Amino acid sequence: GAVVSQHPSRVICKSGTSVKIECRSLDFQATTMFWYRQFPKKSLMLMATSNEGSKATYEQGVEKDKFLINHASLTLSTLTVTSAHPEDSSFYICSASPGRGTEAFFGQGTRLTVV
Amino acid sequence: AQSVAQPEDQVNVAEGNPLTVKCTYSVSGNPYLFWYVQYPNRGLQFLLKYITGDNLVKGSYGFEAEFNKSQTSFHLKKPSALVSDSALYFCAVRVGAGGYQKVTFGIGTKLQVIP
Repeated sequence: GAVVSQHPSRVICKSGTSVKIECRSLDFQATTMFWYRQFPKKSLMLMATSNEGSKATYEQGVEKDKFLINHASLTLSTLTVTSAHPEDSSFYICSASPGRGTEAFFGQGTRLTVV
Repeated sequence: AQSVAQPEDQVNVAEGNPLTVKCTYSVSGNPYLFWYVQYPNRGLQFLLKYITGDNLVKGSYGFEAEFNKSQTSFHLKKPSALVSDSALYFCAVRVGAGGYQKVTFGIGTKLQVIP
């Protein structure tokens, strides 16, 4: 199947700093990628839809100025958590679909810990 | 709006016994249904999907699911459970074939296979 790579897999940062997470589709082009946040023992919460060459579409309640999304190419989307706080600590996962009628493929996830 | 319900927070089954993980959905339109599995601190792995056609769908690792339109269900099944099947399972739905269309996930069901 198609491969989506996410980096880093784990990151620890100090409160107030910013962290960038990358999501790459390795063997297909993705005009659309999705960013999810997963809380402990909870389902995936869709944060935003990342659109290549245009602004991301954020879900209700997600701060767009805090979670900056850039989809500069057909194979790369980045999520930057700005001015991170301990409550931003979570598991962040991206996904993309190779094309019409296909399932979504997920990155390995990034465990963010803000101390 | 689309939604997915996984009524069981956890399912326990003895190794070698058949397992069922339940899922019901609500959509306006024809659903595209998916099952994913997640191991600790990992991304989601695709198991199987229903797009159209035969209501019984076979997927990875011996799993299968049956689409029941009248009951709006898509239960995941396996004839003989393995200890290695212990993980978190997510049912998901999407309306439309496009990869740009968002997927809605259930809250997840933890499967525990007891040796």
